[in-house]
Amino acid sequence: QKEVEQDPGPLSVPEGAIVSLNCTYSNSAFQYFMWYRQYSRKGPELLMYTYSSGNKEDGRFTAQVDKSSKYISLFIRDSQPSDSATYLCAMSDYNTDKLIFGTGTRLQVFP
Amino acid sequence: DAGVTQSPTHLIKTRGQQVTLRCSPKSGHDTVSWYQQALGQGPQFIFQYYEEEERQRGNFPDRFSGHQFPNYSSELNVNALLLGDSALYLCASSPRQISYEQYFGPGTRLTVT
Repeated sequence: QKEVEQDPGPLSVPEGAIVSLNCTYSNSAFQYFMWYRQYSRKGPELLMYTYSSGNKEDGRFTAQVDKSSKYISLFIRDSQPSDSATYLCAMSDYNTDKLIFGTGTRLQVFP
Repeated sequence: DAGVTQSPTHLIKTRGQQVTLRCSPKSGHDTVSWYQQALGQGPQFIFQYYEEEERQRGNFPDRFSGHQFPNYSSELNVNALLLGDSALYLCASSPRQISYEQYFGPGTRLTVT
């Protein structure tokens, strides 16, 4: 079993929809949770990061962490065709600086 | 403010050869991490450099080695290339105090034939 599980998709939604992207994890020591966006053949771009449990909002993006369920989510409001990309979740704990990534979810937003 | 830069963009090598990839971190960052991303997969941690020393290492063989220079830039070397080494190699930089906040470069796409 992988430490971080993420549905690869693809997830196809119409423009303006609310998108929900999710990851589950098995390591209870994870404390830092990141979301990256990766366009085709480009490097990952850091969207948001949260520490421990709770919510964080940045514009159209909201990140949620539920440590009791070992479940994290990224919500995208008013989705745009330019949001079409692969979204990667990543995590780390206090004892290591390495990021453990999910496989990524491919999102397609059609006009 | 320049972000993380990597060179070259693309590289084609033959099995058994050696390759060196280069990375310049974001301004103000002193820690560099390297990741390997196979097609359709998330990045896998190779190792991290801080103060010119390898601080952490992932599950990669000794064929993968690195270096960090006094200006914080870094190199990744891979010896005795295998077909399975074909991947996108990503460099990420971070400030030591917030080492989980990693910013990635565009990557070097390595093809081994």
